Amino acid sequence: AQSVAQPEDQVNVAEGNPLTVKCTYSVSGNPYLFWYVQYPNRGLQFLLKYITGDNLVKGSYGFEAEFNKSQTSFHLKKPSALVSDSALYFCAVRDGQAAGNKLTFGGGTRVLVKP
Amino acid sequence: DGGITQSPKYLFRKEGQNVTLSCEQNLNHDAMYWYRQDPGQGLRLIYYSQIVNDFQKGDIAEGYSVSREKKESFPLTVTSAQKNPTAFYLCASSIGAPRAAFFGQGTRLTVV
Repeated sequence: AQSVAQPEDQVNVAEGNPLTVKCTYSVSGNPYLFWYVQYPNRGLQFLLKYITGDNLVKGSYGFEAEFNKSQTSFHLKKPSALVSDSALYFCAVRDGQAAGNKLTFGGGTRVLVKP
Repeated sequence: DGGITQSPKYLFRKEGQNVTLSCEQNLNHDAMYWYRQDPGQGLRLIYYSQIVNDFQKGDIAEGYSVSREKKESFPLTVTSAQKNPTAFYLCASSIGAPRAAFFGQGTRLTVV
């Protein structure tokens, strides 16, 4: 079975400071990893993904994520947070070697960026 | 414009009634998904479909049913057997692994 854990329910950061949102995963095969952001009463917006190759992935709105196979982690980062980055962030995983397309999400982390 | 459309945005249902949530996509995606989101919680997979006329149960399929008669459409029926149906429902689609899934704007279902 595949699973995702986001250990922090909420992350608070001051505007201009670095932002990190943690994610660890478990899959049997090779992981396909994704980050999404959700604003209130809206659907999820895709930020970035890791499939293969370079462990540092760059995505939308200045976000990046680092894949660490030994730690089974895929933490989301932004060097300088903006107030507008305040939202709910989800990490997701798909097993690249499984027959199906099942996509499993973590519990989400609420990010609050204070001016 | 290509995208995923969920309707209605808000839905109210009386206890004991079945209700169907619509999800349509014009992205020509093969895979479609239904997720449930409760306040302060993550997304839980209800059902997913990889191709037309085929679908699989997710983690919380009890009390729900789906159909996939057309590639563009993946309606979700919340039956009276679902004990706690009030939630935010999200539909998504993707071409398939390893592509990202794209989401609709959601339907908020409230049982009154």
